[in-house]
Amino acid sequence: GESVGLHLPTLSVQEGDNSIINCAYSNSASDYFIWYKQESGKGPQFIIDIRSNMDKRQGQRVTVLLNKTVKHLSLQIAATQPGDSAVYFCAENTVDQAGTALIFGKGTTLSVSS
Amino acid sequence: DAGVTQSPTHLIKTRGQHVTLRCSPISGHKSVSWYQQVLGQGPQFIFQYYEKEERGRGNFPDRFSARQFPNYSSELNVNALLLGDSALYLCASSSGQGASTEAFFGQGTRLTVV
Repeated sequence: GESVGLHLPTLSVQEGDNSIINCAYSNSASDYFIWYKQESGKGPQFIIDIRSNMDKRQGQRVTVLLNKTVKHLSLQIAATQPGDSAVYFCAENTVDQAGTALIFGKGTTLSVSS
Repeated sequence: DAGVTQSPTHLIKTRGQHVTLRCSPISGHKSVSWYQQVLGQGPQFIFQYYEKEERGRGNFPDRFSARQFPNYSSELNVNALLLGDSALYLCASSSGQGASTEAFFGQGTRLTVV
């Protein structure tokens, strides 16, 4: 079936480095994508979103890139901090789903060492 | 402002029992969605309700049911619990039904079935 997946289950970086977390999606009809951060014992926390009519969107220390040609999504975190350590999920909202029914990938665990 | 609140935070049930989980959305939000997150996996969509009507259903058995009340709070019910129902159950609220609407998650209810 169609699903959102992440390329790497884990990513380890040093404090101050830039982190890049990748995600491949399979439904070309998806028109809205979101990155979530989930810390242990907590619910997913919204980081940044992007709509399919955009290629890039920037937030505070984060940038999301969308390549619709190859159905690829990435999250860039600048100057990664220990507090960024968490599991990161990409999610897509397809036109086949009603409302905000999101399809999540399995997640990438980001570990930041100081 | 209060975020999405879920109750209880944790509970333990025996196989075959029934469970009811509760969710209060952010004030003003009319859409509530339920997700199941098994350890090590991304959240999986169960239901979406908007204006008290079911607007989306994921691939879950009929043992799972939900409803939304006039105040937009919601309940998720699971009958005849199985060991495999052990998971973190997440509720998300959003302001509208349409795609491209940001969903905010609660902290979840950790259900353990023994």
